Amino acid sequence: DADVTQTPRNRITKTGKRIMLECSQTKGHDRMYWYRQDPGLGLRLIYYSFDVKDINKGEISDGYSVSRQAQAKFSLSLESAIPNQTALYFCATSDLALGTGGKTQYFGPGTRLLVL
Amino acid sequence: GENVEQHPSTLSVQEGDSAVIKCTYSDSASNYFPWYKQELGKGPQLIIDIRSNVGEKKDQRIAVTLNKTAKHFSLHITETQPEDSAVYFCAASKNNAGNMLTFGGGTRLMVKP
Repeated sequence: DADVTQTPRNRITKTGKRIMLECSQTKGHDRMYWYRQDPGLGLRLIYYSFDVKDINKGEISDGYSVSRQAQAKFSLSLESAIPNQTALYFCATSDLALGTGGKTQYFGPGTRLLVL
Repeated sequence: GENVEQHPSTLSVQEGDSAVIKCTYSDSASNYFPWYKQELGKGPQLIIDIRSNVGEKKDQRIAVTLNKTAKHFSLHITETQPEDSAVYFCAASKNNAGNMLTFGGGTRLMVKP
């Protein structure tokens, strides 16, 4: 979805380096998410944020940190990258759920990260 | 927490045939079930979703069915075309978890011309 952008699209880094992945959205959504995708494992939630002052850990947050700089921006950092963090990373956004169940999540194009 | 199982992991069909992908979920409180299609080099895109107050939903060649008692839901694609080739993900969510989606492991669908 062109309304959700991620930078960089591809990144190669070395073990121990700090790296930041950035996500921006123009959909005006309050909620933003970071997922990691590995072959055969689907998408696993790393962190999520329901508004600018809200940060929550997901299923696999160890080794990652996030920053919600504004409603439209949500960054994921790997403080000291390791090879098993090699994966495809997706940012997603959604609108506020108003008691009627889940709302659609809109995904960015992904960042392919290789840690050597 | 919620656990979503998806089968098969790969599916190969001939163009024009139907394809069915099945998912089971563990949390009976889940009430929203989206399906995403991921094409090569792109992020997942929603193709259809269903809420627990209905049993079936159709959109042209795709349909989703939900069996709340058995806690499973399925994606049906009829008259498959080569452009249907992609990875498909099911997911489940519930009210008191906000928008938290738990995803299945994905199905790689290949439609042979």
